[in-house]
Amino acid sequence: NAGVMQNPRHLVRRRGQEARLRCSPMKGHSHVYWYRQLPEEGLKFMVYLQKENIIDESGMPKERFSAEFPKEGPSILRIQQVVRGDSAAYFCASSPTGFTGELFFGEGSRLTVL
Amino acid sequence: QQQVKQSPQSLIVQKGGISIINCAYENTAFDYFPWYQQFPGKGPALLIAIRPDVSEKKEGRFTISFNKSAKQFSLHIMDSQPGDSATYFCAASLTGGFKTIFGAGTRLFVKA
Repeated sequence: NAGVMQNPRHLVRRRGQEARLRCSPMKGHSHVYWYRQLPEEGLKFMVYLQKENIIDESGMPKERFSAEFPKEGPSILRIQQVVRGDSAAYFCASSPTGFTGELFFGEGSRLTVL
Repeated sequence: QQQVKQSPQSLIVQKGGISIINCAYENTAFDYFPWYQQFPGKGPALLIAIRPDVSEKKEGRFTISFNKSAKQFSLHIMDSQPGDSATYFCAASLTGGFKTIFGAGTRLFVKA
């Protein structure tokens, strides 16, 4: 399967724990985007990364959230000290260097904070 | 302004009817306007897209109408089918800036 791979698909954390969400882009894609989808809401942009660089993090909360896309391995969205309001579906998308506008999405990671 | 406003929030259509979803944007620098379809438990997938130099694009039962002067675009689903029941997101992209802004989504239910 050469699509965008996200894991875990479902993650349950207690308040105060850490959540790590991973995303492997499509083969040949070097740009990764993270979006958050709250229940009954749309897709909110969080961060855009290229290998080893954060290009645009204007949608990331200032505290507790971080993202990386290392030279080797998947992109990781990290949420420290989770709170109930972090419960959402987190989607990763990727695009090739020659961005034509189309984003290729993974199936999402659904975080539940108890 | 980077917002994309989408309406209606939800829509119920009889099988065989026409589903119409509308979107409006403000930033005239956007140069790509896609529609994504999302089924429950899945990620969004590109359905159809248009660039601002074209006023209409049709792919099968799906048509985008684009009004550049009004900064509005809409998705029309002809002969709507129960299998079309999903959430539809409009979006606007700045391809040079790798930026895509999504509307809030429309939940479409097609009654059999």
